[in-house]
Amino acid sequence: EIVLTQSPATLSLSPGERATLSCRASQSVGTYLAWYQHKPGQAPRLLIYEAFNRATGIPARFSGSGSGTDFTLTISSLEPEDFAVYYCQQRNNWPPFFTFGPGTKVDIK
Amino acid sequence: QVQLEESGPGLVTPSGTLYLTCAVSGGSISSNNWWSWVRQSPGKGLEWIGEIFHTGAANYNPSLKGRVTISLDKSSNLVSIHLTSVTAADTAVYHCARNVDAPMPTYFDYWGQGALVTVSS
Repeated sequence: EIVLTQSPATLSLSPGERATLSCRASQSVGTYLAWYQHKPGQAPRLLIYEAFNRATGIPARFSGSGSGTDFTLTISSLEPEDFAVYYCQQRNNWPPFFTFGPGTKVDIK
Repeated sequence: QVQLEESGPGLVTPSGTLYLTCAVSGGSISSNNWWSWVRQSPGKGLEWIGEIFHTGAANYNPSLKGRVTISLDKSSNLVSIHLTSVTAADTAVYHCARNVDAPMPTYFDYWGQGALVTVSS
């Protein structure tokens, strides 16, 4: 089973600052990694798929990079609505199995 | 626009069965998508429970296998989950999600808001 770890656990920043979130896989997942934004009481929102592709309607300030075992989600300039928890996620080929990282909380400094 | 909405009892007694439905609108559960359930226990991260395809093929998280069944009601466009022998550890917000339509669906493109289920006597 591939394990995903995320760092830092919490990121305290101010609006307008740049956020850099890390996700590391215990073995290579190629570029099959997705990122989600999750706010309390809301549906998780797909941000990035296959490591660097922005989902429909996602602002350009969100970008993804990486391959293999190391991935990064960057928010170039934080907007007030960006303060949330961010999860990375991957899928095992066989047996079919999805795993999520533990999340990074981006909160207001 | 695809929308998913979970519903069901918010309280289940220990050793009982958790049952939730996910109403899908704006799309058909008979499409070329797998449909998943994902849960989030209080203070914890997201855990994938399982998925189902319109043919009835299903895959489950091994940690829950034997207790969980996901099914489809095509006439009502519903995706359902049954989880038996529940304990307090099954207290969580349960989300349904649509796996992306791809030869190998590796992520979820639509999610429901989730339904909180508390296991308590």
